[in-house]
Amino acid sequence: QVQLVESGGGLVKPGGSLRLSCVASGFSFSDYYMTWLRQPLGKGLEWVSSLSDSGTSIYYADSLKGRFTISRDNAKISLYLQMNSLRAEDTAIYYCVRGNVAFDLWGQGTMVTVSS
Amino acid sequence: EIVMTQSPATLSVSPGERATLSCRASQSVSSNLAWYQQKPGQAPRLLIYGASIGATGIPGRFSGSGSGTDFTLTISSLQSEDLAVYYCQQYIDWPRTFGQGTKVEIK
Repeated sequence: QVQLVESGGGLVKPGGSLRLSCVASGFSFSDYYMTWLRQPLGKGLEWVSSLSDSGTSIYYADSLKGRFTISRDNAKISLYLQMNSLRAEDTAIYYCVRGNVAFDLWGQGTMVTVSS
Repeated sequence: EIVMTQSPATLSVSPGERATLSCRASQSVSSNLAWYQQKPGQAPRLLIYGASIGATGIPGRFSGSGSGTDFTLTISSLQSEDLAVYYCQQYIDWPRTFGQGTKVEIK
């Protein structure tokens, strides 16, 4: 079954850290760029970061640079997002998606809540 | 950053009627445009890419058109299951950017 499954979301205090994971199945993970998108509840979609198939090309939203780190382990068919210095405005559903142009496969999302 | 602007914010359409959604880019994106559908409580799914190419498994009533800065998503005969928010997204440049969405309601 072709799917992406995220985990690692939860409640964290401002200034805290969280690491999101995404496990892929049903396709050749190592052949694809992968991306994290996010969506505050009731609001629109925001691109966060993309990572090339080999891991050598990385792109971040300017507003997140220095706080978030994307990585992957092709042997574990997994994508990660390390989030540091979290702020209230980072509260959102975080989606792991396949691709870096049109995003053709989405996970179900994992909720991150930043609150004291 | 390329700004994507969608209109209208909300569209109310009767079943069987045509729905026309618009998306405008602040600069040319050529045909590097995708459309997504997000039903309530679900993750978005890809409908259209390359401005007019239907994604796998997408019903034929969904079609996309346009190039440059002006794009249209058309639902030729609206079904009740088409209740959703629709987003456009450009991928000619980084950062990838989305429109704010058009909510399609069933009249």
